[in-house]
Amino acid sequence: GENVEQHPSTLSVQEGDSAVIKCTYSDSASNYFPWYKQELGKGPQLIIDIRSNVGEKKDQRIAVTLNKTAKHFSLHITETQPEDSAVYFCAATVNTGGFKTIFGAGTRLFVKA
Amino acid sequence: DTAVSQTPKYLVTQMGNDKSIKCEQNLGHDTMYWYKQDSKKFLKIMFSYNNKELIINETVPNRFSPKSPDKAHLNLHINSLELGDSAVYFCASGPAATNEKLFFGSGTQLSVL
Repeated sequence: GENVEQHPSTLSVQEGDSAVIKCTYSDSASNYFPWYKQELGKGPQLIIDIRSNVGEKKDQRIAVTLNKTAKHFSLHITETQPEDSAVYFCAATVNTGGFKTIFGAGTRLFVKA
Repeated sequence: DTAVSQTPKYLVTQMGNDKSIKCEQNLGHDTMYWYKQDSKKFLKIMFSYNNKELIINETVPNRFSPKSPDKAHLNLHINSLELGDSAVYFCASGPAATNEKLFFGSGTQLSVL
């Protein structure tokens, strides 16, 4: 079945710096790759997503890149702010007789003011 | 107006008891889910329902029984609670059975003593 690995598990950056989180997936049939942000005491919230027919997508300070050949995808946050501090999850969706979203283990991002 | 609301937010109970968690979404989505998040923040799909029909049952013990009386509600009943059931349970909904663009509730923290 699909397996999603996410690195690093913890990331600490200075306010204004960039943050990069990387994920790999195992099932080449996966075709949808969302990123979720989870703040303390809340549920995950979708921040950006990308489909397998697209290599890059950007939304203001957030961008996601996908390399289908290498089965890698990454989240890039530029000009980080303290409110970006949260746990970020990558995920991959695969159809196994019913669509299933497999999440990475999460990256705890700390943005220091 | 909360998009996906689940109750209760906290549930503390003794081993062996039976408990229920309720979930409602007002987004008009056809698909609803239950996810389990363990103490290490790992998110795992438990069930997905599309228009009241079970689509995914991710080898969850049959002590867990979801019920969807209509497509806006998906409740989770747990019999004979065990210590290992302690976790945060998230309800989510999405516009289609493709698992895309999920909206999560704020979670129910279950503690089994």
